[in-house]
This record gives sequence, C-alpha cells and structure tokens, in this order.
Amino acid sequence: KQEVTQIPAALSVPEGENLVLNCSFTDSAIYNLQWFRQDPGKGLTSLLLIQSSQREQTSGRLNASLDKSSGRSTLYIAASQPGDSATYLCAVGSGNTGKLIFGQGTTLQVKP
Amino acid sequence: NAGVTQTPKFQVLKTGQSMTLQCAQDMNHEYMSWYRQDPGMGLRLIHYSVGAGITDQGEVPNGYNVSRSTTEDFPLRLLSAAPSQTSVYFCASSRTSGRGNNEQFFGPGTRLTVL
Repeated sequence: KQEVTQIPAALSVPEGENLVLNCSFTDSAIYNLQWFRQDPGKGLTSLLLIQSSQREQTSGRLNASLDKSSGRSTLYIAASQPGDSATYLCAVGSGNTGKLIFGQGTTLQVKP
Repeated sequence: NAGVTQTPKFQVLKTGQSMTLQCAQDMNHEYMSWYRQDPGMGLRLIHYSVGAGITDQGEVPNGYNVSRSTTEDFPLRLLSAAPSQTSVYFCASSRTSGRGNNEQFFGPGTRLTVL
C-alpha cells in the first residue's frame, strides 16, 4: 500500500531564507507527483507536477525534484517571503484510478 | 475559465438529512473526483469518474452516491447524513486519469457539519 510522508510537519523560518520541504513515498511505481499549496480555510492550489520520467520542474522561485528509485521528492523555495506561509502538500499518482495519495503536509511560517 | 467550482461553501445538516454537494468544471476535463479532508487523516478519495456516464468507488465511498450525466458536472449526494461525515469536501478534475499530463485542479471546498 502506497504511503506518503512529509517531514517536518511544521517549519518556521525568517524571511529571505532558502528552504527545502521533503516528501517520501513507499512504492516507486508512480506515474507522477504533484505539489500543492493550501491556505487556511481554502482549497488546494497546484504548484508543480512532475511526471515519473522527469527529474525536476521549476516555476518561479519553486523547484521540485523527483527521485523515484529512492522514493523521494523535495520542494525547494528560494528567498522565502511571508506570503509563502501556507501548508504544502505532496501527492503521488499511481494505479489506474487517477487517485492521488496525499501526505499530511508541512505547515510553513515565514516570519517578516 | 472559472476552473473547478463548488457549492455551497458551508452547510449544516441534522443527522438523517440528505443533500447534494455540487461540483462543476469548465475545462472539458474527462476525470473528476471527490475527496474529503479530515484532521489527522489527510485527503481521502470518495468517488471518481473517468468520463460522462462512468463512475467508480474510491477509498471511503460508504454513505455517498455520485452520478456523471455531463462532462461538466459531478454532484456528490449524502443519502442520510451522519456526524462522521462532518468534513471538508473537495472536488477535483484533470484532463485524463491516465499517465499523461494529468495535473489535477481542486475546487475551493464545501465545509459540512452534521449535528
């Protein structure tokens, strides 16, 4: 059974720091991995999608990497800003149902 | 494009009442799904649909029904609400369910309380 883990559960950093959020999964038979952002009381906003054949994807200050063999993905946020404060969720897609299996999320606070 | 829309945003029900959560997308996506989000449990798949007229069960389907008569709409029905169904419900859609570029987009959610 696929399990997705995100560590740490919470992270607090000063503004301007570069930071890395971690996501690990137990079954390497995935077809993609997606990173989302969720603000309190809001829906999920897609940040980056990495296909299983890709190693990384970049969007602005965000860079996500994927290492299927080790079951790991990282989300790198450069020059963090208070507006980056949110919960970040990773989710893996596998099987034939289109189902995403989510981690519990990392709640990030960026202090001014 | 409005993306994925959900109504209502908030709802309070009494045990035993029924209701329908609405979900619509305007991206001509084949694949639509419903998740519930609970503290400590994360997001779990309730039902999904790979196209109009085709639905199937996810991880936690009991107490919920779905239908997909059009590509755009995917309503979720609670037949007889129970307090265990208190949750935040998210609808999602993607172009396909397969191994292609199937980035999934989520709606803003419906916050449901069952008393």
